[in-house]
Amino acid sequence: DTGVSQNPRHKITKRGQNVTFRCDPISEHNRLYWYRQTLGQGPEFLTYFQNEAQLEKSRLLSDRFSAERPKGSFSTLEIQRTEQGDSAMYLCASSPPAGGKDTQYFGPGTRLTVL
Amino acid sequence: AQSVTQLDSQVPVFEEAPVELRCNYSSSVSVYLFWYVQYPNQGLQLLLKYLSGSTLVKGINGFEAEFNKSQTSFHLRKPSVHISDTAEYFCAVNSPGGTSYGKLTFGQGTILTVHP
Repeated sequence: DTGVSQNPRHKITKRGQNVTFRCDPISEHNRLYWYRQTLGQGPEFLTYFQNEAQLEKSRLLSDRFSAERPKGSFSTLEIQRTEQGDSAMYLCASSPPAGGKDTQYFGPGTRLTVL
Repeated sequence: AQSVTQLDSQVPVFEEAPVELRCNYSSSVSVYLFWYVQYPNQGLQLLLKYLSGSTLVKGINGFEAEFNKSQTSFHLRKPSVHISDTAEYFCAVNSPGGTSYGKLTFGQGTILTVHP
């Protein structure tokens, strides 16, 4: 069990550029979650997958955000035309398929800075 | 909709003193409750969780929490803190069903600072 990994750990970009983050969950965890954490706040839910199906998207996830999980393994989160308000820590978590009672295991996060 | 309120944004305490971090939640359905800890530049790590049964839950690193349904609270306690407990602590809620199924709703976090 190597834990949840996220790449890159840090990303600095200019406003208007596109960025993509990757999350590799714990193997055999079929649920994968994305959260966003801004300074001084707790993480906020963005979206989650069960296998390759995206089951829920938060209203925080504007049309500029898209997430995929091809083949139910790793996931990518893309932000198009980045804005300064997108600067945040993007956290990925995974869990086994036993519903809300399961522990979600978090990765170290990707810190995005939009200049 | 669910919500979580952590009543203290910062808690300073001296080493070996007891500490309580307060958490209140709001939900129209039954809940699961969690406490996570986040050390600087690291991801969130689960301290403990309440699913059902005994309202007193014990977790890692000597922490425990008590679920109080009537007061909708889930306060975190430790009888004697160490310097290494300095971190940010998050209370979170999940549900076995309803529209919030599968996602955690977090509080704003409490920064615990342990002084020597």
